[in-house]
Amino acid sequence: GAGVSQSPSNKVTEKGKDVELRCDPISGHTALYWYRQRLGQGLEFLIYFQGNSAPDKSGLPSDRFSAERTGESVSTLTIQRTQQEDSAVYLCASSLVGSATEAFFGQGTRLTVV
Amino acid sequence: GQQVMQIPQYQHVQEGEDFTTYCNSSTTLSNIQWYKQRPGGHPVFLIQLVKSGEVKKQKRLTFQFGEAKKNSSLHITATQTTDVGTYFCAGSGAGGTSYGKLTFGQGTILTVHP
Repeated sequence: GAGVSQSPSNKVTEKGKDVELRCDPISGHTALYWYRQRLGQGLEFLIYFQGNSAPDKSGLPSDRFSAERTGESVSTLTIQRTQQEDSAVYLCASSLVGSATEAFFGQGTRLTVV
Repeated sequence: GQQVMQIPQYQHVQEGEDFTTYCNSSTTLSNIQWYKQRPGGHPVFLIQLVKSGEVKKQKRLTFQFGEAKKNSSLHITATQTTDVGTYFCAGSGAGGTSYGKLTFGQGTILTVHP
């Protein structure tokens, strides 16, 4: 595709339910990043992939969060047993060659836990 | 771990005034990138600095990378209402587990009063 695509764009879920967020990076981009942005706040690093490997998972807030990437393409971020504090915009970005090149962001998934 | 601090958090200026935001890293960076996020939008890449002491200009925007590659600044001359948004710096670590990871500062929210 022409840019980074994230789905769904909006997700409302009940507390305790699991959610899956999807990211389709730009074709050929080897690096993929997930960030969380609460309202009016900065970008909180969650995880990044180089190819299908995740060298740094240190940003995942708890063991309820997990992410995977397959085929050096699509990535999914899964949040189990959602809590209200998980409500935020989840942004995905991809770059051609890791952090040495510019990152292109998707429009984000706005997650609301009620 | 790698931390990137950015100040100020907020800046309100009158149209025509100058604006500067500063970024400091706890570790030496291999490069630093700057992004702009318009209200309701996603971060968009502005520029990347790689060399120690590097200075780059884009029209009214001037970007600097410190000699020690641990700090950076963005200066906007004669702000316009179109400059409104949040400006983020993002650093890439020089080695170890930080290599390849793009860590964002908290951002500076700029408002411009006409």
